[in-house]
Amino acid sequence: AQKITQTQPGMFVQEKEAVTLDCTYDTSDQSYGLFWYKQPSSGEMIFLIYQGSYDEQNATEGRYSLNFQKARKSANLVISASQLGDSAMYFCAMSRGTSYGKLTFGQGTILTVHP
Amino acid sequence: GAGVSQTPSNKVTEKGKYVELRCDPISGHTALYWYRQSLGQGPEFLIYFQGTGAADDSGLPNDRFFAVRPEGSVSTLKIQRTERGDSAVYLCASSSLAGFGNEQFFGPGTRLTVL
Repeated sequence: AQKITQTQPGMFVQEKEAVTLDCTYDTSDQSYGLFWYKQPSSGEMIFLIYQGSYDEQNATEGRYSLNFQKARKSANLVISASQLGDSAMYFCAMSRGTSYGKLTFGQGTILTVHP
Repeated sequence: GAGVSQTPSNKVTEKGKYVELRCDPISGHTALYWYRQSLGQGPEFLIYFQGTGAADDSGLPNDRFFAVRPEGSVSTLKIQRTERGDSAVYLCASSSLAGFGNEQFFGPGTRLTVL
């Protein structure tokens, strides 16, 4: 079984600062995918970034980067230059390494960006 | 439309009633997923379709829940004899291939309230 753990219920960051949201995972699979989604108060889930278990380089998408440490089974999200619009719930998720996209989500971290 | 749509956006029903929730995926997406999100939690997987067939229904909580996708496009999640514990936001997502690394696009969700 797969499990995602997000230990930070809430995080605060000053506008324009960087912030790291923690995610650890547990799986017995050799191949898997790791995802981060943003959920604003409107409720819609917005895909941010993806990392495959065999990818050697950390994924980056604009201001988002995924700090992938395979040996420690962590997949932290780093948001650089935070903006007020980044205030939202953030979910880490993983999928199994088959032709199968079911996602297992963590509990989420609420990020609040202060001006 | 360009994105995943779900109807209704809100559904209030009485305990014991039958409800249907509809999902219209992005055109051409062969994979379709249903998730359930309770307040303050991450989404939980319910069922996954590849084309018309349910490839994995392991997340359906009991036999009161059923989903169909008869023509490989629109899907309907059906809940019989609703209970108060069924109250949640039901999210639908679609992707172009059922493989990890393929981003799932989520709809806005249907908020179900069982009185």
